[in-house]
Amino acid sequence: ETGVTQSPTHLIKTRGQQVTLRCSSQSGHNTVSWYQQALGQGPQFIFQYYREEENGRGNFPPRFSGLQFPNYSSELNVNALELDDSALYLCASSRGGAQEQETQYFGPGTRLLVL
Amino acid sequence: GENVEQHPSTLSVQEGDSAVIKCTYSDSASNYFPWYKQELGKGPQLIIDIRSNVGEKKDQRIAVTLNKTAKHFSLHITETQPEDSAVYFCARRVYNFNKFYFGSGTKLNVKP
Repeated sequence: ETGVTQSPTHLIKTRGQQVTLRCSSQSGHNTVSWYQQALGQGPQFIFQYYREEENGRGNFPPRFSGLQFPNYSSELNVNALELDDSALYLCASSRGGAQEQETQYFGPGTRLLVL
Repeated sequence: GENVEQHPSTLSVQEGDSAVIKCTYSDSASNYFPWYKQELGKGPQLIIDIRSNVGEKKDQRIAVTLNKTAKHFSLHITETQPEDSAVYFCARRVYNFNKFYFGSGTKLNVKP
């Protein structure tokens, strides 16, 4: 076990709704990265939060947003849900500087289904 | 491109045989290459990693080799066991930038 926890484990939403996913990082880690993993695919980088600031973003629209809190836990928010947003959402925690992080450790993921 | 090309997509071996998975990339600024194992219903678990200043790293039955010139790296699993059955992902990180790019995964099936 990595010590990274995510909630909820599963979620069902309808198109157009909004969702918030949560992640608690491993003790001692100051950075959280979020990934979207579609069925049968590798994880795709959404964004990273380092010391409460966004520190890099992948090719995802602005309706994907996030937060990091002083205890380094994080939230991923998705507005105006689309059917293609159905996926496993993974968070990974790590430690290091803004430009060079050490190894990332993943949580178990949140399975989101959009109907 | 940004992503990592990973082959094969599926691999079936007999227990005790070796398994090799290969990944290629094009960005020479990549400096860190982890491998993850993902079991059904779980998040990816780091199994081994290698940095660009090292050519090979071994941990018991698992080894990773890196050829920076050819821009490819490989995962080697020896004496495979049924519990090695899972999906394996390679990834790369660009130097001075914390974004990780993943391969599309290899489903390994070890037959008893």
